[in-house]
Amino acid sequence: GDSVTQMEGPVTLSEEAFLTINCTYTATGYPSLFWYVQYPGEGLQLLLKATKADDKGSNKGFEATYRKETTSFHLEKGSVQVSDSAVYFCALRTGNNDMRFGAGTRLTVKP
Amino acid sequence: DVKVTQSSRYLVKRTGEKVFLECVQDMDHENMFWYRQDPGLGLRLIYFSYDVKMKEKGDIPEGYSVSREKKERFSLILESASTNQTSMYLCASRLGSGGFGNQPQHFGDGTRLSIL
Repeated sequence: GDSVTQMEGPVTLSEEAFLTINCTYTATGYPSLFWYVQYPGEGLQLLLKATKADDKGSNKGFEATYRKETTSFHLEKGSVQVSDSAVYFCALRTGNNDMRFGAGTRLTVKP
Repeated sequence: DVKVTQSSRYLVKRTGEKVFLECVQDMDHENMFWYRQDPGLGLRLIYFSYDVKMKEKGDIPEGYSVSREKKERFSLILESASTNQTSMYLCASRLGSGGFGNQPQHFGDGTRLSIL
């Protein structure tokens, strides 16, 4: 079935470091892809999305490009801040309109 | 702005109790979802509802039931709580339309449930 695999955490970076969180997917058809972020004590918030191949989603300095050839949707940010510390979830919308979430990657950014 | 409200942030119950988790959204969304979140497992879908009085099983429905009597409210019920149901529970809603693929889910802040 459709699924998402994302890199295991935790990831610890210094402020202003470059961030990559890998995400690959398995799906039939052409799913929509999402990144959600969960700050401590809160629910998930949509960070960015892409609905077709080669689309680039971006928000708050984060970017991810829908790569059909590598079935990937890696999350990147050029310079992380302490306030980016959170858990990041990669997700896809299946052909049945279900959502499939990755296991989450905890990011800690140190000053 | 989008608002999904879960009735409790923290809840402690005893084994065997019947537990109700409530979720309300104010966006007139057709679709509502209940997930549980466990370390290393991400979010797993328990039940979802496409409209009032409609419900569908997700990936892990055993031990749970749901109720959707009104469009804005989606309740998760633990019929007889067990310790392995200790978890974070997240409710979400989504606008139902012809373009499902473009509609994100909006999440509540979660209910951390402990079963003793």
